[in-house]
Amino acid sequence: LAKTTQPISMDSYEGQEVNITCSHNNIATNDYITWYQQFPSQGPRFIIQGYKTKVTNEVASLFIPADRKSSTLSLPRVSLSDTAVYYCLVGDIGASNYQLIWGAGTKLIIKP
Amino acid sequence: GAGVSQTPSNKVTEKGKYVELRCDPISGHTALYWYRQSLGQGPEFLIYFQGTGAADDSGLPNDRFFAVRPEGSVSTLKIQRTERGDSAVYLCASSLRPQNTGELFFGEGSRLTVL
Repeated sequence: LAKTTQPISMDSYEGQEVNITCSHNNIATNDYITWYQQFPSQGPRFIIQGYKTKVTNEVASLFIPADRKSSTLSLPRVSLSDTAVYYCLVGDIGASNYQLIWGAGTKLIIKP
Repeated sequence: GAGVSQTPSNKVTEKGKYVELRCDPISGHTALYWYRQSLGQGPEFLIYFQGTGAADDSGLPNDRFFAVRPEGSVSTLKIQRTERGDSAVYLCASSLRPQNTGELFFGEGSRLTVL
């Protein structure tokens, strides 16, 4: 299972765009990249998933370069409510023993 | 509700006691996962069910931990002879795997405190 490395913490301000980069040098051919968000006292919540290039949904964009050894979660115009821990994970979603290894995540603090 | 439900939300017990934590997944989700999360850490995988069977229990830390899912829906995580080190938030997640993207839907967790 591929491990990921991401910053322990980041600060930003309301209205800014925030980019969180994740490194996954040992990503396998069949692995997808998935990001989750977790608020205190809640379970993680799926944000976005991608395999290559760019994926965008209503809350975020995910940029994946051609070598797929890293990925960047982009949150446009953040608000105070985006303060949370963000996890980057890689795994083969088609595998019978699909599992994810969770690191400590990136604690994002948004300031007014 | 339509989400994953976990009970109890909080459980305080004494060292050596037996504990059961319950997870009611989203209706129709065949995959069910148990994770354990300590303060400041990401979730740690414990066990994965596909239907009624445990497809992967490699994350269970020792034989004091056991989980069942007898009818392929509700699951119970059982911890015998609890120790202080078992204190954590126990998260349950369900998924439509293998039909979907692998997105996990988490409950709010059961916070276990062993005194």
